Amino acid sequence: DAKTTQPNSMESNEEEPVHLPCNHSTISGTDYIHWYRQLPSQGPEYVIHGLTSNVNNRMASLAIAEDRKSSTLILHRATLRDAAVYYCILRDVRFGGGYQKVTFGIGTKLQVIP
Amino acid sequence: GAVVSQHPSWVICKSGTSVKIECRSLDFQATTMFWYRQFPKQSLMLMATSNEGSKATYEQGVEKDKFLINHASLTLSTLTVTSAHPEDSSFYICSALQVVGNQPQHFGDGTRLSIL
Repeated sequence: DAKTTQPNSMESNEEEPVHLPCNHSTISGTDYIHWYRQLPSQGPEYVIHGLTSNVNNRMASLAIAEDRKSSTLILHRATLRDAAVYYCILRDVRFGGGYQKVTFGIGTKLQVIP
Repeated sequence: GAVVSQHPSWVICKSGTSVKIECRSLDFQATTMFWYRQFPKQSLMLMATSNEGSKATYEQGVEKDKFLINHASLTLSTLTVTSAHPEDSSFYICSALQVVGNQPQHFGDGTRLSIL
């Protein structure tokens, strides 16, 4: 399965925008980019996903590079509740039925400073 | 949004006890459920993938006789840790995929298992 690389940690000031990068240079044409986040002592929470075009939802925006080898999760105004570990993973759309296992990397630990 | 319920949220029990963890998809049908284990300050490690009505597929190094997985319906999967020992203490998380479309995984809130 294609791998992703993320910085181990990032800091942001509260109410400032946050840009969390993810590199996926070996992405295939059928891989969707998914982002999840995990708060302490909780299961991961789905944030957003996309294929080629930029995506927006109530939680965040996803900016995907034109060559799809990298993407950026954008939190428009960081709050203390956004402090979490953010995971960027790839899921092959050909395996929509769920037969593909997905590997979680270490993710990026986001610290939000009041 | 889609909800996955995991129960219990925490368990403390004696060594040698078997522990069952339930994972339910509350508002969607899940053909596939995943079970993960997470040690402190580490990422999620996939233990097994289960598809409704068939045997689970275990990752290398995960003992299938130790971690019994049952996925009897489209909304319920269970993980039983048999004869648990202190080294089995961990945070166990289930995840479910919807039947149709390219939907994201949805995760339960995890089960903190402590074996004394």
